[in-house]
Order: sequence, then C-alpha cells, then structure tokens
Amino acid sequence: DTAVSQTPKYLVTQMGNDKSIKCEQNLGHDTMYWYKQDSKKFLKIMFSYNNKELIINETVPNRFSPKSPDKAHLNLHINSLELGDSAVYFCASSPSGEAAEQYFGPGTRLTVT
Amino acid sequence: RKEVEQDPGPFNVPEGATVAFNCTYSNSASQSFFWYRQDCRKEPKLLMSVYSSGNEDGRFTAQLNRASQYISLLIRDSKLSDSATYLCVVNTYTGGFKTIFGAGTRLFVKA
Repeated sequence: DTAVSQTPKYLVTQMGNDKSIKCEQNLGHDTMYWYKQDSKKFLKIMFSYNNKELIINETVPNRFSPKSPDKAHLNLHINSLELGDSAVYFCASSPSGEAAEQYFGPGTRLTVT
Repeated sequence: RKEVEQDPGPFNVPEGATVAFNCTYSNSASQSFFWYRQDCRKEPKLLMSVYSSGNEDGRFTAQLNRASQYISLLIRDSKLSDSATYLCVVNTYTGGFKTIFGAGTRLFVKA
C-alpha cells in the first residue's frame, strides 16, 4: 500500500564508493523528484523528471546521476561518495501541474565515513 | 536573499495558544504556494495549499499576499500533536515547475 517507497532506508558507506538509491511510486503520477535534506534540515530539490524525461537539474555535482527506467521509478546513483554527501535523500512524486501536491517517500539516510 | 524565507524558530507555545508563521518569497513569477509539515525524522507531508483568497482547514488558516510576496499560516487552539516543523513551499515555472522549500519553522506545543 506504500505510495512512494525508497530503498534502502539507511546507507552507511565509505568515501570513494559508488551507491544507488531506488525509488518507486504506485500512484500513477507523471512527475518524480529527488531532494536532499542536509544536517541543517534544509530541503533542496536536486532533480525533477516528467514522464521519464529530465525537467529540472539543479546545480548538483555530476557524480549524481538519476535514472528513470519508467514513469513509476526514479533511481539515484552516486559515484565517488564524499563526506559532504551525508544527508537524508527524499524521493517524491506528483501529478503534473503547478498546484499538485507532492508525496514523499520515507527518505534514505546516507552516512559517508 | 533566499528564494523562500521563513521565521526563524523555534516557537514554544502552550496548548490552546494561537501561533502564526510568516514566509516571504523573492520571485514575483511564483505561481503556487503550500504549507507542508515535517515531523522529526519523517518525510514532509502537505498541510494545505495557499490561495489568494485565503483558505481555512479546521484550526489552520493560510493567507497569500501576492503584492507583498508574503504567505502566512495561523494555527488556532494549538494541540500537542501540532509540534513539528512547518515548511513554506513555493512553485515557480522555469521550463518546468521548480519547487522551493523554506528552511522551516519548528513549533513546540507544551502541556
């Protein structure tokens, strides 16, 4: 019944490693997002996809690469992890349109040591 | 200037109090506005959309002033369960809709 799910929920890894976070939504939404929430709790958009196409790509290092195999999935791959990548990453989805509510996944807490 | 700015918190209020949060946004082309709520170590969830005419949902009232680029949220008769972080959210069209979250205002309601 989970609307937006993310795996894993926790991820602890060492600097320099490559890792992926998966996101799936079963709401039939056209648009999906990745957000980063840092230690100061500031939530910042990273990417936005609509019908598998990239719409928004904020100033994010190219070590971060989103991939949308289909409308229901938006995965995030991170290469060469750095200490500063430690944060909570939230996936979200929404119907198309400016006034659409966004539904968030439970978040993935990434710790880079 | 930040794109979306909110009152610095935290707000500590007793049960039953009325509390108001303010938010300003910098892009006059912004088109839609929301208040989200985030509980500790949880994901944000929509509290309410904000309309130019103002709107109310139970104890919660949201107002938008486009001329001043100002959004507010009023909570009446605060409950312990209202304790959370309240996020002001603005959507702006830049080829696609870009969603910007404010840094949030933390509310503690005490018995």
